[in-house]
Amino acid sequence: AQRVTQPEKLLSVFKGAPVELKCNYSYSGSPELFWYVQYSRQRLQLLLRHISRESIKGFTADLNKGETSFHLKKPFAQEEDSAMYYCALSGSQTGANNLFFGTGTRLTVIP
Amino acid sequence: EAGVAQSPRYKIIEKRQSVAFWCNPISGHATLYWYQQILGQGPKLLIQFQNNGVVDDSQLPKDRFSAERLKGVDSTLKIQPAKLEDSAVYLCASSLSIGDEQFFGPGTRLTVL
Repeated sequence: AQRVTQPEKLLSVFKGAPVELKCNYSYSGSPELFWYVQYSRQRLQLLLRHISRESIKGFTADLNKGETSFHLKKPFAQEEDSAMYYCALSGSQTGANNLFFGTGTRLTVIP
Repeated sequence: EAGVAQSPRYKIIEKRQSVAFWCNPISGHATLYWYQQILGQGPKLLIQFQNNGVVDDSQLPKDRFSAERLKGVDSTLKIQPAKLEDSAVYLCASSLSIGDEQFFGPGTRLTVL
């Protein structure tokens, strides 16, 4: 069965410091990995997906199949990055390529 | 373009009562999803529609939950009768088709007393 683990429920960093939100997964096969973000009083929205290999709002995430990880990184955190972040995966085993979410990490960037 | 619309935004009911939620997806989106998000957890898929057909309802507690998308556009999710553990945010999302980016609505926060 699939599993997405986000070990940190809460993460605080100072503005300008690097930030890394951890995500580990368990899946038999080749999943697609995503990061979703929910800013205060806003809707859940897609931040990035591993197949696009983009940098969005300065964030990047590399899929490491050996370590089964998909950590989200940003070299210099900004106050507007404070939000709830969810790692998710999809694949043929999640049923019609549905999303399977982790429990989320709340990031707070301290001014 | 307008995003996914949901109503009501908040609902408080007593256990054993019934409740219904409504979702209107983005125009032209064939796939519609209902998720349940319990406090402290990530969203969990309840049911997925492709047009007016059910693609996946394996996680839907069918003894008390039902959902329909009769005309392949808007959808309703019903709980009858509600239990305390049904307290959660119910999210609706839509996508152009299966596997495409999902766009989420604002959610309905249900409190069962």
